[in-house]
Amino acid sequence: GAVVSQHPSRVICKSGTSVKIECRSLDFQATTMFWYRQFPKQSLMLMATSNEGSKATYEQGVEKDKFLINHASLTLSTLTVTSAHPEDSSFYICSARGQISYNEQFFGPGTRLTVL
Amino acid sequence: AQSVTQLGSHVSVSEGALVLLRCNYSSSVPPYLFWYVQYPNQGLQLLLKYTTGATLVKGINGFEAEFKKSETSFHLTKPSAHMSDAAEYFCAVSDRGGADGLTFGKGTHLIIQP
Repeated sequence: GAVVSQHPSRVICKSGTSVKIECRSLDFQATTMFWYRQFPKQSLMLMATSNEGSKATYEQGVEKDKFLINHASLTLSTLTVTSAHPEDSSFYICSARGQISYNEQFFGPGTRLTVL
Repeated sequence: AQSVTQLGSHVSVSEGALVLLRCNYSSSVPPYLFWYVQYPNQGLQLLLKYTTGATLVKGINGFEAEFKKSETSFHLTKPSAHMSDAAEYFCAVSDRGGADGLTFGKGTHLIIQP
């Protein structure tokens, strides 16, 4: 149990285009989903927290107009990188928390974004 | 604000030797502490967590960690390293029981020498 999936696993896009990444909790209801960003050989940095049906809360320094987060259902959250640029290239990882285990987040496998 | 410090970006041990990965944290409230392992190009897998109660926590794959409040530490150990333990290890802290996003350390790359 407690499986989180992400789609796509890898995406390459041209500069200026938008990319949508999906995060799904497959076998539990996720009341909260988190989005992290990981640069090569570095740690994960929390970008934003989203609660189902509410607007996402962004960490300081994260552009909310750049990284659009939608958490429309208890099993799906999406991160859209708008007008992507090469500096947005990174590994994006989501995690989900729900009633299955309130004090534990379950992580997705990550999405590798490369912007050319 | 909370923070996590992992001493040593790289740790190298021989197969069969003791593994010790260090983690110190700062938190204004009793923390929830986590250790995760990450294999290349994959997400994070929870090794173990401390919430409340017993300060010695046992996790998967033979790992364990001890919460020491007086030292603000949560070091990860394994008595005998295996080649399959080679990976990146992250210590993380949450001060609201996981209700907030986690604050991660910079990670420690564990190398296992044959």
